[in-house]
Amino acid sequence: GAGVSQSPSNKVTEKGKDVELRCDPISGHTALYWYRQSLGQGLEFLIYFQGNSAPDKSGLPSDRFSAERTGGSVSTLTIQRTQQEDSAVYLCASSLVGGGSNQPQHFGDGTRLSIL
Amino acid sequence: QKEVEQNSGPLSVPEGAIASLNCTYSDRGSQSFFWYRQYSGKSPELIMSIYSNGDKEDGRFTAQLNKASQYVSLLIRDSQPSDSATYLCAVTLPWNGGSQGNLIFGKGTKLSVKP
Repeated sequence: GAGVSQSPSNKVTEKGKDVELRCDPISGHTALYWYRQSLGQGLEFLIYFQGNSAPDKSGLPSDRFSAERTGGSVSTLTIQRTQQEDSAVYLCASSLVGGGSNQPQHFGDGTRLSIL
Repeated sequence: QKEVEQNSGPLSVPEGAIASLNCTYSDRGSQSFFWYRQYSGKSPELIMSIYSNGDKEDGRFTAQLNKASQYVSLLIRDSQPSDSATYLCAVTLPWNGGSQGNLIFGKGTKLSVKP
């Protein structure tokens, strides 16, 4: 079946612009995660959605970052007034169930964001 | 602070050798353990999961878990140049209200298999 789908695959924008990144999880997966990965670095957790529950936003680095998940499926990560330090690969993952279950996460191909 | 620790490497092994990748975790209540492979410029790919003490084999890969020592490892037999990648260890924390989805990733070990 289809995996996690992310768009766009690459995004180049000017400093100060807003960007929206989209994630379409695996069908039937209730948990959705956003991570950021800078070049040569590990995964940085950003936000976690579980079904219709309030998301865990503890990893968002500033109030310029926000995310929503409509209808328990597709998610959009929005970065306002982008800065050069926002340049990274933004990865989305989904799992059948989150929160303490034994379900692994499955990753999309990521969006490579470059801020000029 | 719940942590998952891995040596960053790089770990260099000759082709055909056994590569041994190690991971320690801080929460004794952790129940599920995963290994992901990440090729340069690509996203992480799940390659192994293990839930019980002991060994679990899948082809050339063997995952080993020792909950008493809070240690999980991945062995790659007959290493090939195509195994060159960064290997991420991930550990599920006990239920704590759903923070981060309870899956914590290590920073990864970079493996280089030399022909």
